Amino acid sequence: KAGVTQTPRYLIKTRGQQVTLSCSPISGHRSVSWYQQTPGQGLQFLFEYFSETQRNKGNFPGRFSGRQFSNSRSEMNVSTLELGDSALYLCASSPPLQGGGEQFFGPGTRLTVL
Amino acid sequence: AQSVTQLDSHVSVSEGTPVLLRCNYSSSYSPSLFWYVQHPNKGLQLLLKYTSAATLVKGINGFEAEFKKSETSFHLTKPSAHMSDAAEYFCVVRGGSTNAGGTSYGKLTFGQGTILTVHP
Repeated sequence: KAGVTQTPRYLIKTRGQQVTLSCSPISGHRSVSWYQQTPGQGLQFLFEYFSETQRNKGNFPGRFSGRQFSNSRSEMNVSTLELGDSALYLCASSPPLQGGGEQFFGPGTRLTVL
Repeated sequence: AQSVTQLDSHVSVSEGTPVLLRCNYSSSYSPSLFWYVQHPNKGLQLLLKYTSAATLVKGINGFEAEFKKSETSFHLTKPSAHMSDAAEYFCVVRGGSTNAGGTSYGKLTFGQGTILTVHP
């Protein structure tokens, strides 16, 4: 099975712009979560989607949004970019099993805001 | 609420010696606990998971972890370090519930990470 894929892998934007990141989960996985990784704050949860519905949301401003499509692919959007949004954005998908709850991560999108 | 504390930000060992990476957790529920590894410029790879079955959990690449409820700990060990083990390791707790469809959900809470250095 193919793993979680994220596009693009690298992105450079300037302050004030907006950006959309894409994530394709492992086939058969319906839950997709997003995380932000920075040297200062570590790995922080952004949001989780299941069957096109946002199930959980982390403590990020409203500039960060996401959605999930009927094929379970997910996108996240960051509007009005700030320098502090520079980070590695990781997407993870979960298999449809009770218990366990492990998540499988993609390689990430490295966003640099200038 | 749940949280994870990794007690060491850096651990340095010699190749062939044991590895111990320490993790304490706090969770309101019976937790699911994980260790993930991240090699430079790579995504996160699952090493092992605890989900209330056996308290000693074996993972990939010779790693294992023991769940100790009385100590709220989930330390990661490996008998003999290899150069390829050099990476950053994250202890992770997941709370949440399982819906009628059998799919669990909930967010992962990560520790701050432990950078493991292996010397030849």
